[in-house]
Amino acid sequence: DAGVIQSPRHEVTEMGQEVTLRCKPISGHNSLFWYRQTMMRGLELLIYFNNNVPIDDSGMPEDRFSAKMPNASFSTLKIQPSEPRDSAVYFCASSLYQGSSNQPQHFGDGTRLSIL
Amino acid sequence: AQRVTQPEKLLSVFKGAPVELKCNYSYSGSPELFWYVQYSRQRLQLLLRHISRESIKGFTADLNKGETSFHLKKPFAQEEDSAMYYCAFTRRQGGSEKLVFGKGTKLTVNP
Repeated sequence: DAGVIQSPRHEVTEMGQEVTLRCKPISGHNSLFWYRQTMMRGLELLIYFNNNVPIDDSGMPEDRFSAKMPNASFSTLKIQPSEPRDSAVYFCASSLYQGSSNQPQHFGDGTRLSIL
Repeated sequence: AQRVTQPEKLLSVFKGAPVELKCNYSYSGSPELFWYVQYSRQRLQLLLRHISRESIKGFTADLNKGETSFHLKKPFAQEEDSAMYYCAFTRRQGGSEKLVFGKGTKLTVNP
């Protein structure tokens, strides 16, 4: 298994532009998580899905951020319009949730986003 | 509030010295705790989890419910241990769960 796959690895764009980050979870995993990592705030959970349904989006900073999971093998995190303070590394992670059984999360390589 | 506290942002030790990365948690239920490690420019990866009671790369961590701590220890640090370490616990809400991370400790092992 290739693990969690994120694209692009790096994104540099000008403020005001729309940014779309993509994630392919590990096959068979039913939970997907989007995180943002910055020096100041560390690792923050933005949103997570269970069986393609958003469960908790309380970490999404503002309306400029949106996330979708149209099927079990694909998710997107979109920022529109982007701002320089959105510059960070964005990680996607997936896990298998089985109710009483807890499985660890597996992380992708992350997308390093720079907004100029 | 349910949270994880890693009091040290930076920790520097010499090769061969013992190292302890501190983690305290605040959680009303029975937590499941993890340590994740992120080597330079690599993905975050699971180092160990308390229910496994295992030693990975020489690291161990014991859950102390009385002190609500889950400190990560290694008796003899190696240069390749230099990395960012995150303590986390699982928080269950309704029919799903999520990880709550601490802010991380950057460990530097000097030659």
